[in-house]
Amino acid sequence: GAGVSQSPRYKVAKRGQDVALRCDPISGHVSLFWYQQALGQGPEFLTYFQNEAQLDKSGLPSDRFFAERPEGSVSTLKIQRTQQEDSAVYLCASSLLPGRSPFFGQGTRLTVV
Amino acid sequence: DAKTTQPTSMDCAEGRAANLPCNHSTISGNEYVYWYRQIHSQGPQYIIHGLKNNETNEMASLIITEDRKSSTLILPHATLRDTAVYYCIVRVGNNNAGNMLTFGGGTRLMVKP
Repeated sequence: GAGVSQSPRYKVAKRGQDVALRCDPISGHVSLFWYQQALGQGPEFLTYFQNEAQLDKSGLPSDRFFAERPEGSVSTLKIQRTQQEDSAVYLCASSLLPGRSPFFGQGTRLTVV
Repeated sequence: DAKTTQPTSMDCAEGRAANLPCNHSTISGNEYVYWYRQIHSQGPQYIIHGLKNNETNEMASLIITEDRKSSTLILPHATLRDTAVYYCIVRVGNNNAGNMLTFGGGTRLMVKP
């Protein structure tokens, strides 16, 4: 298990439902990023953690989106009252130190119906 | 981060070199050029990065022009498994900052038998 692990791989949610997406970064990695990738588009930045501190959340599209990394390792991205426009692949990435090249997980494909 | 311009798509014959261009005419002196690729249904994969010197690793070579306004990623012997979207990204190389990667649309490389 050397890579970034995300779960679930696929999630179908009914509109209005809350969802939680999990990211297990590479062990010991300080930096953790969340990205959102719509179909046919490049990934777009959502938020960044350095250890347990959320240093940048400028990319979160609304206050329905919330991310945490309470112990500086596993991170959870939570989306409340999901909408159809939230349908996307959510990617997590981690890097050993700030500024180093991040490694990406396979993503969680969220479909809101 | 500086904006990059890449062709939308390219084809390459299997076994031939694939040369993927990228323009980054507004790059700053402290910005590195990074290349990632994304194979269908996977997360982005780091390929290579450089500041001003040409770089080579087991995956690819990166040629950066002397004025640093453009670069070329070279896959010396493309295989069918190299079919992917290739992203050229410029990013401040500050090891004290968790600078996120800003993805554009990338180049969709199709390697054909």
